[in-house]
Amino acid sequence: DAKTTQPTSMDCAEGRAANLPCNHSTISGNEYVYWYRQIHSQGPQYIIHGLKNNETNEMASLIITEDRKSSTLILPHATLRDTAVYYCIVRVYSGGGADGLTFGKGTHLIIQP
Amino acid sequence: DTGVSQNPRHKITKRGQNVTFRCDPISEHNRLYWYRQTLGQGPEFLTYFQNEAQLEKSRLLSDRFSAERPKGSFSTLEIQRTEQGDSAMYLCASQPPGTNYGYTFGSGTRLTVV
Repeated sequence: DAKTTQPTSMDCAEGRAANLPCNHSTISGNEYVYWYRQIHSQGPQYIIHGLKNNETNEMASLIITEDRKSSTLILPHATLRDTAVYYCIVRVYSGGGADGLTFGKGTHLIIQP
Repeated sequence: DTGVSQNPRHKITKRGQNVTFRCDPISEHNRLYWYRQTLGQGPEFLTYFQNEAQLEKSRLLSDRFSAERPKGSFSTLEIQRTEQGDSAMYLCASQPPGTNYGYTFGSGTRLTVV
């Protein structure tokens, strides 16, 4: 799986959009971009994933650049409960599911009141 | 179904003792994963089951670690002769068959070896 680079930490004001960048310059054509987050003392929570096109769900939007070398996770209206470590992961969908996800250290997002 | 359930939530054990953790995945999920997370680090993959078959094991899974999923439902992770370096959060995740959807993680079991 390709390696990802994320900032160690970020701050965002409550109610504003939080934009979390991820660099994955060595991504290959069949690798998806996944985002998870982990709130303190809980297990990771799946947020969203995509291959080429931008994706949106009830939690967030995922913007993938045209060359797929970077992406941005957008939390449109951040709340204090969005304070967490956010992990960007790229992986091949192997169909059989045998590949474990490779988590880095992620970005610690702190939402300020 | 309330998601992935892990028991116990916390376990304190003396060095050298054996411990066993249990994971109950979401009922229709045939894929089950175990991860370990130490303080300040992201989760690290340990092993993967598809139904009852253990299909992949990380090199992190030493001989003291064993995992089972006897009927393709719940899974257990046993650590024999625990060491202080085994202190970590042990996370279980499950995933539905034939999909690239994200995993659903449990809340984990926090192991402290004293």
